[in-house]
Amino acid sequence: GDSVTQMEGPVTLSEEAFLTINCTYTATGYPSLFWYVQYPGEGLQLLLKATKADDKGSNKGFEATYRKETTSFHLEKGSVQVSDSAVYFCALSDREASGGSYIPTFGRGTSLIVHP
Amino acid sequence: DTAVSQTPKYLVTQMGNDKSIKCEQNLGHDTMYWYKQDSKKFLKIMFSYNNKELIINETVPNRFSPKSPDKAHLNLHINSLELGDSAVYFCASSPSRGNIQYFGAGTRLSVL
Repeated sequence: GDSVTQMEGPVTLSEEAFLTINCTYTATGYPSLFWYVQYPGEGLQLLLKATKADDKGSNKGFEATYRKETTSFHLEKGSVQVSDSAVYFCALSDREASGGSYIPTFGRGTSLIVHP
Repeated sequence: DTAVSQTPKYLVTQMGNDKSIKCEQNLGHDTMYWYKQDSKKFLKIMFSYNNKELIINETVPNRFSPKSPDKAHLNLHINSLELGDSAVYFCASSPSRGNIQYFGAGTRLSVL
């Protein structure tokens, strides 16, 4: 079955540091890849996505590139802020046969703590 | 306006009780989901409905029963609550042929 593996946290950084959160996946099909962010006390929200190989998703200074050859989708940001402190989830969505719905698979989440 | 809304936000109850969580989305999406998030933030899909039809039913105790009266609503009823049911439950929706998920704010269930 499909799976997503992301680095364990917490990741602790100082403000303006460079961030990388690793994510690798296994999938039977050709999935779409996502990063979601969960701020304290809230639900998950989409941060960025990529739907095919070599696509780069970007949003709010975060980037991730769909690497089919290494089955990876690592999240990066050049300069983190205290407000980026949250839990980050890597996810994939693979096509389900009936109804055109997509089955989502999430990683275990990586907590990011940014200190001033 | 909240796109995916869940009620209640907090639910504290005793073991053995029956409780329901409601979810409504105003995005016009055809597909809705229920997830369980444990204390370590692990997110596990429980159910998914597409146009009121059950399409994903993961290994979940049959004490959990989803009900979708129409495609904008997906409620979760839990019978005979157990300590291990304590978690945050998230409702989400997505377009039937798209795949971005839109999550509600969650319901924190505490079973005492």
